[in-house]
Amino acid sequence: NAGVTQTPKFQVLKTGQSMTLQCAQDMNHEYMSWYRQDPGMGLRLIHYSVGAGITDQGEVPNGYNVSRSTTEDFPLRLLSAAPSQTSVYFCASNRDNEQFFGPGTRLTVL
Amino acid sequence: AQKITQTQPGMFVQEKEAVTLDCTYDTSDPSYGLFWYKQPSSGEMIFLIYQGSYDQQNATEGRYSLNFQKARKSANLVISASQLGDSAMYFCAMRGRKAAGNKLTFGGGTRVLVKP
Repeated sequence: NAGVTQTPKFQVLKTGQSMTLQCAQDMNHEYMSWYRQDPGMGLRLIHYSVGAGITDQGEVPNGYNVSRSTTEDFPLRLLSAAPSQTSVYFCASNRDNEQFFGPGTRLTVL
Repeated sequence: AQKITQTQPGMFVQEKEAVTLDCTYDTSDPSYGLFWYKQPSSGEMIFLIYQGSYDQQNATEGRYSLNFQKARKSANLVISASQLGDSAMYFCAMRGRKAAGNKLTFGGGTRVLVKP
């Protein structure tokens, strides 16, 4: 099992550019979510999914879109990048009391 | 609403000694879970230990134990026999049974530095 994988590991964008952060899991977990971590802080929920075709907003959803066409994949799209979106992004999947995180994507928006 | 508070922004601990990291929580959910994660300088989130609100005994995982005091709404992490590799950020988190999407709510973290 690869667990939760994320690509890319690092990304630099210019203000206004769009991009997609990829996330995949091979544990057949129903729940997947995206968090962001700003310097010196804990993680905050952006969007989550409770299964293929079902997504909903978390605490800080503005500026991001998600979709869940398969159980395995849960991409996060930045529509028009802003410097305030400079952060480390974690994808997670879980079932019951287990919650697994991907290695993170460090995003810088100039 | 759920809230996690970690009041210790940073602490030093001598190698081979035990350290306790404080975590208090607030929730109206009668059933919930409490998690601790370690985040080393490399950035990944490493799951350490889980405690369910109805578990009769405090959770233990190797050198990690969770001192769960439900009436006081605290879930402190105890690391015994600290090692240099324990130097990292530690996050307490909780998930209510009713939490949408099994969302985790995180505290602000505690940075631990183990001294040789």
